[in-house]
Amino acid sequence: DTGVSQNPRHKITKRGQNVTFRCDPISEHNRLYWYRQTLGQGPEFLTYFQNEAQLEKSRLLSDRFSAERPKGSFSTLEIQRTEQGDSAMYLCASSLARDSPLHFGNGTRLTVT
Amino acid sequence: RKEVEQDPGPFNVPEGATVAFNCTYSNSASQSFFWYRQDCRKEPKLLMSVYSSGNEDGRFTAQLNRASQYISLLIRDSKLSDSATYLCVVNEAAGNKLTFGGGTRVLVKP
Repeated sequence: DTGVSQNPRHKITKRGQNVTFRCDPISEHNRLYWYRQTLGQGPEFLTYFQNEAQLEKSRLLSDRFSAERPKGSFSTLEIQRTEQGDSAMYLCASSLARDSPLHFGNGTRLTVT
Repeated sequence: RKEVEQDPGPFNVPEGATVAFNCTYSNSASQSFFWYRQDCRKEPKLLMSVYSSGNEDGRFTAQLNRASQYISLLIRDSKLSDSATYLCVVNEAAGNKLTFGGGTRVLVKP
């Protein structure tokens, strides 16, 4: 299966710790997105990459969040000094072109205790 | 006003019945529209794209009404397996962000 892959699937961390998630998109997709989803809500846009360039970032994304896509392939999302409010499902998606649909990974479920 | 809005439901649907629900969007210049299905604690999966002329995929029909700025999804002959949350997604015309609605929960019951 050459779909979008995310690691880890689950992460439990203590408040104040840093966490990093990884996303491997579909290989021919140059567009990569990160979303966050909490229970009962739709996915909330965090950031977007086209190849290695981070072209858009949500105003809701605090400076504790940083994302990279160094070689235009996989991407990482780091959250520093985690807070309980960061507990959510973090979803990565990739797409082929601007008007193409998104293909999601299984997500990383973060629990901050 | 939210950029993309959906009735959260739940829509309780008898098996075999038809159900329809809408999604409204605020940006009149939006160009691309999709419906996704999401099962509990799973990732969203593409159900269908929405084309200007409307389109059908088996028991599912999607429509776009640009004048009133909404898209719709109709499910005919509902199956128990159709129980899920249905998310609409709208592509901003100017940017690259695809914005999701909050989802409409559908429960199909025997």
